[in-house]
Amino acid sequence: TQLLEQSPQFLSIQEGENLTVYCNSSSVFSSLQWYRQEPGEGPVLLVTVVTGGEVKKLKRLTFQFGDARKDSSLHITAAQPGDTGLYLCAVHSMNRDDKIIFGKGTRLHILP
Amino acid sequence: NAGVMQNPRHLVRRRGQEARLRCSPMKGHSHVYWYRQLPEEGLKFMVYLQKENIIDESGMPKERFSAEFPKEGPSILRIQQVVRGDSAAYFCASSPVLESNPGELFFGEGSRLTVL
Repeated sequence: TQLLEQSPQFLSIQEGENLTVYCNSSSVFSSLQWYRQEPGEGPVLLVTVVTGGEVKKLKRLTFQFGDARKDSSLHITAAQPGDTGLYLCAVHSMNRDDKIIFGKGTRLHILP
Repeated sequence: NAGVMQNPRHLVRRRGQEARLRCSPMKGHSHVYWYRQLPEEGLKFMVYLQKENIIDESGMPKERFSAEFPKEGPSILRIQQVVRGDSAAYFCASSPVLESNPGELFFGEGSRLTVL
């Protein structure tokens, strides 16, 4: 059973378009992170959301944590080729001793 | 400030040999995670360690795989008697005290193991 479901699995869009990717679960989390990974490199942390309903913005990226802290979305406005990469969500459950788990990711490709 | 350092970046082994992957966490970080990634897939948790302690190894195969994070020196992921299915990228991540920033990991660039 996959703890985190990310959708879509793949997304290819034209430069300048908007997009939203999702991270869903049936479990409640104390926090959720979004990472971006480029080919041949390790993931890089983009943001942490903690409070239900929280919205955080990072330039053209908008992150939202669901009210019930079970899901999150990442919206990119006016996508650029530099946004290309694998977007991963990760969670650390309510039990502080638990490991940090990643979803399978959304592989995003922005066409110039 | 050096980031998380992993070595080797690339490792080629023949079936039956041993692979040792090293990870030096960021300065001041006391938590280390190891993840495995296959091409076109996400990160699969293997093991979570603090200095001299294994906290959670539920993602690591019980045979052939072991991990340590000694008081001095890097964390080591050891794979004995490698098989072709062990070929993957292995990522190490470190974190400071989790209570203040749960889930925020800093990753190395990975070690890519190829088993011939």
